[in-house]
Amino acid sequence: DQQVKQNSPSLSVQEGRISILNCDYTNSMFDYFLWYKKYPAEGPTFLISISSIKDKNEDGRFTVFLNKSAKHLSLHIVPSQPGDSAVYFCAASAGDDKIIFGKGTRLHILP
Amino acid sequence: NAGVTQTPKFRILKIGQSMTLQCAQDMNHNYMYWYRQDPGMGLKLIYYSVGAGITDKGEVPNGYNVSRSTTEDFPLRLELAAPSQTSVYFCASSYWPSGGETQYFGPGTRLLVL
Repeated sequence: DQQVKQNSPSLSVQEGRISILNCDYTNSMFDYFLWYKKYPAEGPTFLISISSIKDKNEDGRFTVFLNKSAKHLSLHIVPSQPGDSAVYFCAASAGDDKIIFGKGTRLHILP
Repeated sequence: NAGVTQTPKFRILKIGQSMTLQCAQDMNHNYMYWYRQDPGMGLKLIYYSVGAGITDKGEVPNGYNVSRSTTEDFPLRLELAAPSQTSVYFCASSYWPSGGETQYFGPGTRLLVL
């Protein structure tokens, strides 16, 4: 039973355009959401997070939107750059000492 | 700071062999975690530790053991390697309660069991 779902295994976006990565969750107890970025042969690195009391958090080119009623969050990257090509993991926490990861979405930025 | 370090980077094991995956962090984090990532899948939690001397099972603990004798080190032990344990293993750490949801990951250990 997947509590965090990333239904798009891959996504291709033209350089300079907006990349939108989506994530759905089922557990209404989740109160903190994170996005991690992973390059091949490296560990995931923290990208951006959002608390359930907010509906938007922005950090430079990266913005995360949270829609609690729909149990949906999205990561927007604008403008997309070649270095953004990576696997992006959505993750969620219920305030305990564990976080649950989605399967990831591979983003390809096309020249 | 070196952050989270893992050794070895890659290892081939024969079925039934045992090995220990090493993990160390120098950020004085109290929480440490072991995950495995199978191809096309997300990270699944194997074991975690909330401090020296305290460990607990995650989602997929069978076939593994851990210990936490110091704050810095959190080794993962495979006693009888099986092909199903072929995976990439990531160690992570975080500091609870402040910002504990943000975990810092090591570079991973790729394990192949034949």
